[in-house]
Amino acid sequence: GAVVSQHPSRVICKSGTSVKIECRSLDFQATTMFWYRQFPKQSLMLMATSNEGSKATYEQGVEKDKFLINHASLTLSTLTVTSAHPEDSSFYICSAPYFQETQYFGPGTRLLVL
Amino acid sequence: AQRVTQPEKLLSVFKGAPVELKCNYSYSGSPELFWYVQYSRQRLQLLLRHISRESIKGFTADLNKGETSFHLKKPFAQEEDSAMYYCALKGLGQGGKLIFGQGTELSVKP
Repeated sequence: GAVVSQHPSRVICKSGTSVKIECRSLDFQATTMFWYRQFPKQSLMLMATSNEGSKATYEQGVEKDKFLINHASLTLSTLTVTSAHPEDSSFYICSAPYFQETQYFGPGTRLLVL
Repeated sequence: AQRVTQPEKLLSVFKGAPVELKCNYSYSGSPELFWYVQYSRQRLQLLLRHISRESIKGFTADLNKGETSFHLKKPFAQEEDSAMYYCALKGLGQGGKLIFGQGTELSVKP
């Protein structure tokens, strides 16, 4: 089946710094990828839709200047958390649809902001 | 508004007992419904989708448009079924984005 990877798997940073998370589709192309945020034993909250070659579409309440998304190629989307603060600590998950059907999820990135 | 509701945060059963994880949705149209499962320390993965009408790992789910429900059922739970289960909805013409329910933790005790 299709595989989606994320890097890094976990990151610890100081408050005020920026952190970049990569999402890659390893054996298929994805013109669209999705970024979610998940709190422990809670639901996945859709943050934004990443579109290859165009601007990302953000969900209501998500700050686009805070969470920068770049979909530079058909296999790579990046999420940059700018000027991170402790409240940004969370589990970030990306997904990509395969043949516009099933979505395949990455393993997630755990961000801890000190 | 599009919404997926899973009323149970935790469902605890004994091995061999029947299981039903509830899911209700709100969507003005014909949605696609999915069940995703997340085992401990693993990524989210698709369990089943309503249009396939299939049984995976003994689980089935029937879309009831009248009751706007998509409950997940298994007649005899196994310990390895213990996981987080998420019901999700995909609306038409929305680029494939999924709206997830709150999730239900299933705990199957020996």
